[in-house]
Amino acid sequence: SYELTQPPSVSVSPGQTARITCSGDALPKQYAYWYQQKPGQAPVLVIYKDSERPSGIPERFSGSSSGTTVTLTISGVQAEDEADYYCQSADSSGTSVVFGGGTKLTVL
Amino acid sequence: EVQLVQSGAEVKKPGESLKISCKGSGYSFTSYWIGWVRQMPGKGLEWMGIIYPGDSDTRYSPSFQGQVTISADKSISTAYLQWSSLKASDTAMYYCVRRTVTTLAFDIWGQGTMVTVSS
Repeated sequence: SYELTQPPSVSVSPGQTARITCSGDALPKQYAYWYQQKPGQAPVLVIYKDSERPSGIPERFSGSSSGTTVTLTISGVQAEDEADYYCQSADSSGTSVVFGGGTKLTVL
Repeated sequence: EVQLVQSGAEVKKPGESLKISCKGSGYSFTSYWIGWVRQMPGKGLEWMGIIYPGDSDTRYSPSFQGQVTISADKSISTAYLQWSSLKASDTAMYYCVRRTVTTLAFDIWGQGTMVTVSS
């Protein structure tokens, strides 16, 4: 079955830039989506179609794509950005949706 | 306000059946897909399946095919996730999600329904 691979954890100091990667063979063909989940809360969509930002999401959140890897970048990280982040995409046929394993972002 | 409101937490015994619900409001319920996502305690997100209430077209993740049933009643803007025989391993938080027709983005999430299966 198709898999998306994320690093389990990323740590940054406040004000620095955090980059979270997500790798998968079908990413050149399928868009990626990113979700933020804080403890005890439902996930929230922060990036769609690789690099688009929904209304209400701060400009410090951005996304990019290169080959089989997509990246969520958080510029000027704030304490409130500490959360789990999940990428989501589909297999090459577009039939089956899959989530990455999640990355815990720690703000030091 | 666009929202998905899910039914409350459930505590069940192994072998029992269960149907949880997700009611959409603030938008045209028949114009968007509604999916279900499982999150086991301390674990990541897993896509279970999705339904288009407009015509009841339903797709399942291979991992959940035959294990659950997804349905919808468009007359009351409500989607359902049901089990015929619960197992302890079904203990998890279940989220319903709205998906746009043109992308795979899950743009609206319900608040989640915690299902606990224990003898």
